[in-house]
Amino acid sequence: NAGVTQTPKFRILKIGQSMTLQCTQDMNHNYMYWYRQDPGMGLKLIYYSVGAGITDKGEVPNGYNVSRSTTEDFPLRLELAAPSQTSVYFCASTDSVNQPQHFGDGTRLSIL
Amino acid sequence: GNSVTQMEGPVTLSEEAFLTINCTYTATGYPSLFWYVQYPGEGLQLLLKATKADDKGSNKGFEATYRKETTSFHLEKGSVQVSDSAVYFCALSDPGANSKLTFGKGITLSVRP
Repeated sequence: NAGVTQTPKFRILKIGQSMTLQCTQDMNHNYMYWYRQDPGMGLKLIYYSVGAGITDKGEVPNGYNVSRSTTEDFPLRLELAAPSQTSVYFCASTDSVNQPQHFGDGTRLSIL
Repeated sequence: GNSVTQMEGPVTLSEEAFLTINCTYTATGYPSLFWYVQYPGEGLQLLLKATKADDKGSNKGFEATYRKETTSFHLEKGSVQVSDSAVYFCALSDPGANSKLTFGKGITLSVRP
């Protein structure tokens, strides 16, 4: 009963490097989301998807890209890492509107 | 647009004290309301929810009532335990916006033995 799985758990990047944060869910949920959590700021939505092949921007999409080729996977791509992207990233999913989202354990990313 | 405002923290209580964490919201439609809890080093977990006005969500001794007239969803617990120490987030989900969650800033609760 894995739920939402995120990898890696921790990562340190240098400025300008790129990386992909992985997210997979085994609940057959259509809706998937990426959030970033900064201290004292709550969670901000980066991108979301309502199904395979469909993605849309959230509140803070700049510097990120996503894809959704399957129902299970929703990777988040950072192309040119910047110090402002140092944060904790959470992936979440849900099966329908008005239902709670299920969260992964997060990826702690530091960019130096 | 939608917004959620939580009371400022952190909050420190003694074990068995009464807890209230205030949450108010602004929404254009008819949102569902949630409280999520985050324990140290972990992701967010759903604590309770309410989907329409006057609904009361409850779980693990925590309660919150969806008050449309005051646009509030305050979290309460009659007797807190050390194990309740965590960060608590109030959030709303707008069904007209693909269930995107809007979060409050979160509040850290510390309970002393």
